[in-house]
Amino acid sequence: GAGVSQTPSNKVTEKGKYVELRCDPISGHTALYWYRQSLGQGPEFLIYFQGTGAADDSGLPNDRFFAVRPEGSVSTLKIQRTERGDSAVYLCASSLQSGRSYNEQFFGPGTRLTVL
Amino acid sequence: KQEVTQIPAALSVPEGENLVLNCSFTDSAIYNLQWFRQDPGKGLTSLLLIQSSQREQTSGRLNASLDKSSGRSTLYIAASQPGDSATYLCGGGSEKLVFGKGTKLTVNP
Repeated sequence: GAGVSQTPSNKVTEKGKYVELRCDPISGHTALYWYRQSLGQGPEFLIYFQGTGAADDSGLPNDRFFAVRPEGSVSTLKIQRTERGDSAVYLCASSLQSGRSYNEQFFGPGTRLTVL
Repeated sequence: KQEVTQIPAALSVPEGENLVLNCSFTDSAIYNLQWFRQDPGKGLTSLLLIQSSQREQTSGRLNASLDKSSGRSTLYIAASQPGDSATYLCGGGSEKLVFGKGTKLTVNP
């Protein structure tokens, strides 16, 4: 079946602009995660959804970052007033369900965001 | 706060060699431990998941173990091949995963 997909694959924007990054999880996966990966680093957690609600948003760096998942499937990560330090690869993952026994996460290819 | 360390940062071996990648974590309350490979410019591919009640998992030439008491996991790769060249990441946690920086593996023909 289809894996996690993310669009766009690359996004170049200017400092101060607004961007939206989209994630389509694997069909039937109720949990969805956003991570951010800088060059030479491992992914860092941003936010996690169980269904439509954000179960943990403790990784969002500040209030310029916001994410939604209105119908419990597709999620959009929104970044306002982008800064050069936001440049990174944004990764999305999904898992069959949250809860500790079934938490194998499957990742999408990522969106490379470059803020000029 | 959970911290994950991977050693070595980089490893270069000749084809056919058996090798071990190490992952250590500071909080033994880790629930799941997942190993991934990442090819340049790509996302993460899940290799093995070890759940809290398990001590190891095997898939083909890969074997991963988890020792919560010592805060360590290892990924064993048997008979390495050039196609195994990639960055290997371990991530641990319950819902959200905390990752190490990865081990960059190069297998030379």
